[in-house]
Parts: sequence; structure tokens; C-alpha cells
Amino acid sequence: DTAVSQTPKYLVTQMGNDKSIKCEQNLGHDTMYWYKQDSKKFLKIMFSYNNKELIINETVPNRFSPKSPDKAHLNLHINSLELGDSAVYFCASSQDELWAGTYEQYFGPGTRLTVT
Amino acid sequence: AQSVTQPDIHITVSEGASLELRCNYSYGATPYLFWYVQSPGQGLQLLLKYFSGDTLVQGIKGFEAEFKRSQSSFNLRKPSVHWSDAAEYFCAVSGTSYGKLTFGQGTILTVHP
Repeated sequence: DTAVSQTPKYLVTQMGNDKSIKCEQNLGHDTMYWYKQDSKKFLKIMFSYNNKELIINETVPNRFSPKSPDKAHLNLHINSLELGDSAVYFCASSQDELWAGTYEQYFGPGTRLTVT
Repeated sequence: AQSVTQPDIHITVSEGASLELRCNYSYGATPYLFWYVQSPGQGLQLLLKYFSGDTLVQGIKGFEAEFKRSQSSFNLRKPSVHWSDAAEYFCAVSGTSYGKLTFGQGTILTVHP
């Protein structure tokens, strides 16, 4: 069983389109994340949800909107795609408890988004 | 603000040689430190982590790392590298801010036969 899964694995689309990437984890974790890895392999956190509530929202354009229908899912919707959105997007999850600090994050396989 | 620096962008070693990948962090309190590995086209896999206690931590695949507070470092080591270790390695730091992992730039490891 895949612990953290993402669909699709590859996404090619044109500028101006709207697209979604789905993420599901079957680890029973409370917290889920979206990261962006740019062409230079630099990984940066975008969002984090804990028990369906947004807790981290880094400086990300409003065109990006995460949605968490339940604890096991965190989807990323992107409006009006731009060339600069081309990247690999990783979903991750962890079992966090504030008093204990951060547990390790488990990453999905990534979604390679190409905007043409 | 927390940050991580991996000074070496690319390292090449021969199979069987020892390996050390450098990581320096910046964080005001006791950090939580991680090393992840990313094989081409794959997601990130956790190699090891440091939360507290013994400053020398053991991970998977024969890797270990040592936390040195005085040097703000968390270097990754392996005594004998295998060809399958060729990948990109990321050091990351987190504080008590809910799950916010900050990654270094990554170090690409090439292994020569």
C-alpha cells in the first residue's frame, strides 16, 4: 500500500488553464503539506493543514488554493496557470503533536507540472 | 528564521570510499534535523533524524549523522559508499513551528565504479 499518493504523476497544460493535483495519505496522520520543487531542485513549503485546518500559508500567489475535505486528503487547485508554475509538487504528511515538536514527514512521489 | 546551507552542490566518490555530506543550519533554539534522499524521478525518503539525546544518530542504508551544536552542523556520513547511493541528498531543519521543514539546496552524489 502506498503511504502518500498523488495524482496525476505528470500534468502538462497550457497557460491560463485551471488544474488540480490530488493527494491522499493512508497513514492516519493529522498534518499534510504541499511543497514546490523548482527547476534547481530547491524545495519550499507552500501550505500545511492540521486536522483540515490551514496552519502554514507561505507567500504563495492567491491562484493556489489548497482544499482538505478530510484528514486523509489535501488537494491543490491552481487557477490561471503561468509558465513559472512549472515545477514538481510534493505532498507530505506527518503525525504532529505540538508539545513534542515535529515528527518526520512522509513524502509522495511528486507531480511534475509543465505549463506551456 | 530558520535556514539550512549545504555547501557542496555536487560530490563525486568512488564506490567503497567513505562519504561525508555537509549541512549547516541556523535556528535560535534546539532544532529538529533531518536528512532525506531523492533518487531521480522519485519522492523524498527519510534517512535519519535528530530530535534530542545522543548526538550521533543512525539511519537507514548504513548512514549516520552527527549533531554538533557548537558548529551548527549536522553532517551525514557513510563509511563505504555503494553505487546505489547515487542520488540527491537534502538536509532539513524544523523547529516547533508546526511542521515547517526548511530544506537546504541539496547535494548531488555521483558514485564512480
